[in-house]
Amino acid sequence: SAVISQKPSRDICQRGTSLTIQCQVDSQVTMMFWYRQQPGQSLTLIATANQGSEATYESGFVIDKFPISRPNLTFSTLTVSNMSPEDSSIYLCSVVARVVDTQYFGPGTRLTVL
Amino acid sequence: AQSVAQPEDQVNVAEGNPLTVKCTYSVSGNPYLFWYVQYPNRGLQFLLKYITGDNLVKGSYGFEAEFNKSQTSFHLKKPSALVSDSALYFCAVRDDSGYSTLTFGKGTMLLVSP
Repeated sequence: SAVISQKPSRDICQRGTSLTIQCQVDSQVTMMFWYRQQPGQSLTLIATANQGSEATYESGFVIDKFPISRPNLTFSTLTVSNMSPEDSSIYLCSVVARVVDTQYFGPGTRLTVL
Repeated sequence: AQSVAQPEDQVNVAEGNPLTVKCTYSVSGNPYLFWYVQYPNRGLQFLLKYITGDNLVKGSYGFEAEFNKSQTSFHLKKPSALVSDSALYFCAVRDDSGYSTLTFGKGTMLLVSP
């Protein structure tokens, strides 16, 4: 399975600021995803990060709020922009090596917005 | 649209007893089914999956799951629970099209008492 790292592991931020979360994989993967897990909730898919093109966002998520980059097959970033306390969540990066493979998850970034 | 139902918010079992965590699903086409576990302040760890073949799937840490197509279920089981199995368990489904994304259930908290 792929080894996935995320930076930072946690952060406390002020309202109105932005935070960029990095996801690094130790091998090339076909697909990369970003999920949000709000306190006490299940996982919600934010977007699929596409290499070299704009991410594909799920309903309720927009690029201005959650800009995503994926410059190559092993790295992606998610920015949470103009944060509010409602953005306090765990943000998880997830990857699939090949189309029919298992989806693996990074350790997550725990974000608290004051 | 695909969906997953985990009817129990919490399952309580005594150490040494068998455990079952229930999951039913709805998907167009053939299902790919997954179980993940989340320990406190950790990311999601993959336990097991059903893609095709034998309906009884064995996974990590002694867990297994049985795929039942007629009942559209994929219940997670373990013959003898350990206190260390206490965690949050998520069932997830995707269809067998090339780039389908995972849909997660709301999660079931498993509490194993000594």
